Amino acid sequence: GDSVTQTEGLVTLTKGLPVMLNCTYQTTYSPFLFWYVQHLNEAPKLLLKSSTDNKRTEHQGFYATLHKSSSSFHLQKSSVQLSDSALYFCALSDTLQGGRALIFGTGTTVSVSP
Amino acid sequence: NSKVIQTPRYLVKGQGQKAKMRCIPEKGHPVVFWYQQNKNNEFKFLINFQNQEVLQQIDMTEKRFSAECPSNSPCSLEIQSSEAGDSALYLCASSLAGRNTEVFFGKGTRLTVV
Repeated sequence: GDSVTQTEGLVTLTKGLPVMLNCTYQTTYSPFLFWYVQHLNEAPKLLLKSSTDNKRTEHQGFYATLHKSSSSFHLQKSSVQLSDSALYFCALSDTLQGGRALIFGTGTTVSVSP
Repeated sequence: NSKVIQTPRYLVKGQGQKAKMRCIPEKGHPVVFWYQQNKNNEFKFLINFQNQEVLQQIDMTEKRFSAECPSNSPCSLEIQSSEAGDSALYLCASSLAGRNTEVFFGKGTRLTVV
């Protein structure tokens, strides 16, 4: 079945450094990939989404490129801020029809120190 | 700020008690989702609706879980007889119909079963 894999459970780094969070997926359909961010005690919010192969998508300093050849949608940022400390989820839309449930990865906690 | 409103934010129940939580989706969104987020932050899809009709649902163990989304009333998720393993954050989300649409989450109801 369809699945999403996030390999890092926890990423700790210092403010100003770059970060990359890995996301790979498996699906038999044409993929729609999403990154959601969840701050402590807050609702998960959409950060990025893409269905276009090899096209970089950006938002709030974060960027990701969907690579269908490697089934990947890694999230990157050039310089993290303290406010980027949060839980990040990669998600896949799993069917050709709308309204279907997203399939989430296990999440990566990012902790940024001063 | 999240426009998906979930109540209550916190719910404490004894084992065997009913637990009921409610969700008002964003206005104009026909699709509503319920997810369970466990202590390891993993998402488990429970059920979704489109215009009050069930689209998908998991095999809710022992039928303890029930949900509905009546027109002109909040959606609800109810656990008939709570168990310790049901302790989790229950997230409601809504979206437009369509495969590449953003899903908007509420802040969740944190259920603790003591």
